[in-house]
Amino acid sequence: QKEVEQNSGPLSVPEGAIASLNCTYSDRGSQSFFWYRQYSGKSPELIMFIYSNGDKEDGRFTAQLNKASQYVSLLIRDSQPSDSATYLCAVRSGGSYIPTFGRGTSLIVHP
Amino acid sequence: NAGVTQTPKFRILKIGQSMTLQCTQDMNHNYMYWYRQDPGMGLKLIYYSVGAGITDKGEVPNGYNVSRSTTEDFPLRLELAAPSQTSVYFCASSPPPGTSETEQFFGPGTRLTVL
Repeated sequence: QKEVEQNSGPLSVPEGAIASLNCTYSDRGSQSFFWYRQYSGKSPELIMFIYSNGDKEDGRFTAQLNKASQYVSLLIRDSQPSDSATYLCAVRSGGSYIPTFGRGTSLIVHP
Repeated sequence: NAGVTQTPKFRILKIGQSMTLQCTQDMNHNYMYWYRQDPGMGLKLIYYSVGAGITDKGEVPNGYNVSRSTTEDFPLRLELAAPSQTSVYFCASSPPPGTSETEQFFGPGTRLTVL
């Protein structure tokens, strides 16, 4: 059973701070890692993907992957109230078409 | 370019009724997926398709059926609706995994209640 674990939160951070969202996974064969943002009542939107160990930056978002420790994280710098949403982590094994999703972490950025 | 569209947006069914959730994409994506999302939970894959005429089961296929006669359309059929099928259903599409990972798109969802 492939498992993807996220703290459901909510994670509350002040505006301008760095929000750190974490995700661990059980399948050592996992090769692709995704972060989705989902606003309340809306559909998920892919915001980051990573497949190599280390950091990947895109604007205010940084994804960090550590395959040895089986975790992937998402950092949001200069957090804004508009970043308040649920962030879903998804992991896909090599040779698979199908990602496994975590339950998501709720992020609240307060002014 | 409408992306992924789903109909209806909302539906209330009685136990034992049947319905079809429609999903259409206009991006010529080979891969299409149906997920359900229960409150406070992540997405659970119901069925997926890698191309017209090819479908396969996901994690939670019981009580559902799909077909894929064209690249654009991937309807999800609920037979004999049960309260356990109350959920939000998302359709998604993408190119083959590993080709263009940023091109993953979800439809707006169908909120289904079975009473």
